[in-house]
Amino acid sequence: DAGVIQSPRHEVTEMGQEVTLRCKPISGHNSLFWYRQTMMRGLELLIYFNNNVPIDDSGMPEDRFSAKMPNASFSTLKIQPSEPRDSAVYFCASASSGETQYFGPGTRLLVL
Amino acid sequence: AQSVSQHNHHVILSEAASLELGCNYSYGGTVNLFWYVQYPGQHLQLLLKYFSGDPLVKGIKGFEAEFIKSKFSFNLRKPSVQWSDTAEYFCAVNAGYNQGGKLIFGQGTELSVKP
Repeated sequence: DAGVIQSPRHEVTEMGQEVTLRCKPISGHNSLFWYRQTMMRGLELLIYFNNNVPIDDSGMPEDRFSAKMPNASFSTLKIQPSEPRDSAVYFCASASSGETQYFGPGTRLLVL
Repeated sequence: AQSVSQHNHHVILSEAASLELGCNYSYGGTVNLFWYVQYPGQHLQLLLKYFSGDPLVKGIKGFEAEFIKSKFSFNLRKPSVQWSDTAEYFCAVNAGYNQGGKLIFGQGTELSVKP
């Protein structure tokens, strides 16, 4: 299996632009998680889905952030408009029915 | 609310020294426990996990952890560290089936091993 796939791996954008991060979970996994990692705040859970349905989005920082999972093999995390404080590494992880989470390689986002 | 506390923010050891990283959690019910490792510039990888059974679990690369329910602890150990163990280590808890797989992570412990 290819593991969790994320794209892009690196993204540099200017403040105010829309950013879309993509994730393909491991085939057969029914849970998907979006995390953000920064030096200041560590690893934070933003949102997670079970069977394509958002279960807990309490970690989403504000309305500028949105996430979708239109099908079992694809999810997006969108930031619109982006701000410099959104600069971080964004990880996607997937799991099967509450079992071990497997992380993707992450997207390193820099907002100038 | 559930929480996970890792005792040390940064640990510095020489090669061949023994390692123990502390992890405590706050939840009184059934838990699944994990240790993840993040090598510099990489993503989190599973080191070991405890779901049930023998409270002493062995993971990859010579790591082990012991679940002590009475102490709400899941400390990570390795008898002899190597320079290649330099990384950040995260303890995590999946507390309760109603959480649907949500993990609560500790703040991480950065391990630096001097050659």
